[in-house]
Amino acid sequence: GESVGLHLPTLSVQEGDNSIINCAYSNSASDYFIWYKQESGKGPQFIIDIRSNMDKRQGQRVTVLLNKTVKHLSLQIAATQPGDSAVYFCAERGLRDDKIIFGKGTRLHILP
Amino acid sequence: DAGITQSPRHKVTETGTPVTLRCHQTENHRYMYWYRQDPGHGLRLIHYSYGVKDTDKGEVSDGYSVSRSKTEDFLLTLESATSSQTSVYFCAISEMTGLAKNIQYFGAGTRLSVL
Repeated sequence: GESVGLHLPTLSVQEGDNSIINCAYSNSASDYFIWYKQESGKGPQFIIDIRSNMDKRQGQRVTVLLNKTVKHLSLQIAATQPGDSAVYFCAERGLRDDKIIFGKGTRLHILP
Repeated sequence: DAGITQSPRHKVTETGTPVTLRCHQTENHRYMYWYRQDPGHGLRLIHYSYGVKDTDKGEVSDGYSVSRSKTEDFLLTLESATSSQTSVYFCAISEMTGLAKNIQYFGAGTRLSVL
């Protein structure tokens, strides 16, 4: 089975409620941020991205918020469904365009 | 998995043996990456390539080498496998758009066990 989540922080949310997953990034010069979702036994999957000149960006049922003052990123998932159960990673692009740095991830657990 | 095939998907090997993992893409993307994923560490970059025969080291490159002789293939080699290299290995690809984004698309992973 998937072992990536053994030491991850876990967020438990009731099905149908909204989920908020938080991420603190390290580099104040980072100009581009991405959220990934990783289901058990699969590779990370792109969800949504945001540039540093934006505070908010919305996708289908997801919203990313960026607070550059405190170097904080959050992913909001509306009306959480069982299929949202996964590990979520934030990633930041630093000074080099061709590399990104991943956070350690948060496991989202959906309660029935 | 965005036109990315990793092989093998699972491998068990012994300490000291050479191992090569293959990543094949059908997207014609310029950039290819190898990551390893371990509990408590998230995804860590091993090596990456920004074109045929152009590669560079990531943060955990010791004990690994890579080669890219064709756009579509990126090989990761463990010259002499050690138990600390037991991990799940992911290949990713990306292409810089006009807005200079770097959305990386990942393969399904290779689970490697070194005994």
